[in-house]
Amino acid sequence: EPEVTQTPSHQVTQMGQEVILRCVPISNHLYFYWYRQILGQKVEFLVSFYNNEISEKSEIFDDQFSVERPDGSNFTLKIRSTKLEDSAMYFCASSEEVLLDEQFFGPGTRLTVL
Amino acid sequence: AQSVTQLDSQVPVFEEAPVELRCNYSSSVSVYLFWYVQYPNQGLQLLLKYLSGSTLVKGINGFEAEFNKSQTSFHLRKPSVHISDTAEYFCAVSHGSGNTGKLIFGQGTTLQVKP
Repeated sequence: EPEVTQTPSHQVTQMGQEVILRCVPISNHLYFYWYRQILGQKVEFLVSFYNNEISEKSEIFDDQFSVERPDGSNFTLKIRSTKLEDSAMYFCASSEEVLLDEQFFGPGTRLTVL
Repeated sequence: AQSVTQLDSQVPVFEEAPVELRCNYSSSVSVYLFWYVQYPNQGLQLLLKYLSGSTLVKGINGFEAEFNKSQTSFHLRKPSVHISDTAEYFCAVSHGSGNTGKLIFGQGTTLQVKP
């Protein structure tokens, strides 16, 4: 069964460093998402992406964040200068359509900022 | 603004007992409603969704949920739980119009099934 994959599973970085979290969505999906979950808190929407453009982004998704689909298979989330409060589990998701369709989630990348 | 409240952070229950996980939402527009489950070290998996039509929705693994518009609720139920149902359960909503797919999640409920 097709699945969304994410790498790495755990990333440790120093504050101020750039990180890139990678996701491989399901191959025929057209809509892509990033969510995050700070330990003990809700899963929060970060950004949705379609047709090489951001469809919607949350207040969390400030200028330090960017997304890219560099090669037609990967979908990346970059944090330019990490802060302690960026420590969280980051989930990538994809769906075939946007409105009625199930979002398939990856297993997540745990980002720890020291 | 939309929000989702899951009223119970943890629900302990014995195997083969029934369970209800509560979810309330607030929204000024029409919504679509979802329940996701997260097993340890895995991503979120869709259990069921309500888009329109019958208010009783059946999902995978014997779960069902009922949409109640007047009470703005979407509680998840299972008549008889198994040990393997132990997991984190998330209720989520998304906009009915101008939808970009954004899901707004509740805080999650940990279901602990005891033998």
